[in-house]
Amino acid sequence: AQKVTQAQTEISVVEKEDVTLDCVYETRDTTYYLFWYKQPPSGELVFLIRRNSFDEQNEISGRYSWNFQKSTSSFNFTITASQVVDSAVYFCALSEVHRGNTPLVFGKGTRLSVIA
Amino acid sequence: DTAVSQTPKYLVTQMGNDKSIKCEQNLGHDTMYWYKQDSKKFLKIMFSYNNKELIINETVPNRFSPKSPDKAHLNLHINSLELGDSAVYFCASSQASGGTDTQYFGPGTRLTVL
Repeated sequence: AQKVTQAQTEISVVEKEDVTLDCVYETRDTTYYLFWYKQPPSGELVFLIRRNSFDEQNEISGRYSWNFQKSTSSFNFTITASQVVDSAVYFCALSEVHRGNTPLVFGKGTRLSVIA
Repeated sequence: DTAVSQTPKYLVTQMGNDKSIKCEQNLGHDTMYWYKQDSKKFLKIMFSYNNKELIINETVPNRFSPKSPDKAHLNLHINSLELGDSAVYFCASSQASGGTDTQYFGPGTRLTVL
């Protein structure tokens, strides 16, 4: 069965520090997709990135970067030079493909607080 | 232009009442979903529709009934509301249903049952 584990429940950093949010997943499927979503205090869910299981290249988007490692079943998310606006709950999610109509399975989220 | 919209944003009601939450997407997607986020922020799928047809129905009480009048709309009707139904309900949509496409979420509806 598919499962996503975000072991860090809460993280607190001081502005301008770098922070890494961990995500470990379990799946029996060889084809799957991984996602990160951000939920700021206003409550909406904002899509950040989608990565398929065949693409292990790391991705950088501004201050955000993602490290996908199939060998350790991890898809970690790093924010460089954190800002107060990065304060949010971040969710990692997984969807399997071979079974067809599969929903997203979310981790329990990591609450990031960036202190000025 | 709002991609996925939900109404109402807040819903406060008494136990035993019946209520509906509406969802509309203007992305031209074929698949729509309902998720429930509990007080601990855990997100779980409830239903999924592809082109007006129910394709995922997780273990949800019969009191919850989704309805899709067309592929741009997916409404959620809840009968005989209970205290435990208090949560934030998110609608989402994606181009296809096979797990490959990104799901885009609405702003959420916070339901409070008193």
